[in-house]
Amino acid sequence: GAVVSQHPSRVICKSGTSVKIECRSLDFQATTMFWYRQFPKQSLMLMATSNEGSKATYEQGVEKDKFLINHASLTLSTLTVTSAHPEDSSFYICSASSVSPQRSSYNEQFFGPGTRLTVL
Amino acid sequence: RKEVEQDPGPFNVPEGATVAFNCTYSNSASQSFFWYRQDCRKEPKLLMSVYSSGNEDGRFTAQLNRASQYISLLIRDSKLSDSATYLCVVRDYGQNFVFGPGTRLSVLP
Repeated sequence: GAVVSQHPSRVICKSGTSVKIECRSLDFQATTMFWYRQFPKQSLMLMATSNEGSKATYEQGVEKDKFLINHASLTLSTLTVTSAHPEDSSFYICSASSVSPQRSSYNEQFFGPGTRLTVL
Repeated sequence: RKEVEQDPGPFNVPEGATVAFNCTYSNSASQSFFWYRQDCRKEPKLLMSVYSSGNEDGRFTAQLNRASQYISLLIRDSKLSDSATYLCVVRDYGQNFVFGPGTRLSVLP
């Protein structure tokens, strides 16, 4: 299957600082990447859909000025948590879908390994 | 009503048992269906896609009933390594994937 990487895998920061998380598709191009958040013992919740070269589409209740998303290329999307607070502590996971309908994996979504954010 | 619903479990079964998970979805326009597996503190990994005719992959069998908007996953001869949370996932005409809350399975020795 396709490979998606995330960096960093774990980050601990002080309240009020900003944290950037990178999501890369390593062996395929992805016009669309997704950002999810997962709190303990809860399911993944979609935060936003990131499209290459255009603004991200945020889900209801997700502050776009707090969670800045940039999708600069077909292989890289970044999520910046600005002025992080303890309630932002969570597991952030990105995923990507393949561009080409001809590719057998087109209909799948490939997940990065996640980033565990702890805000003190 | 949530878009994708699952029994959260946990299902505690002995090794070798057969266990079945159910999932219902509310959007009749949904196009694609999947079962993902998520281990504790890890990312979800695709277990199998679900096709209208039903499909099997080793000990795993998935079925789809579009009329009832119902998806199932059957695991035969459970192994300890099957312990995980199983996520039912539905995709509509767009790109969005909607995840169910997951069903937790513990296979006991």
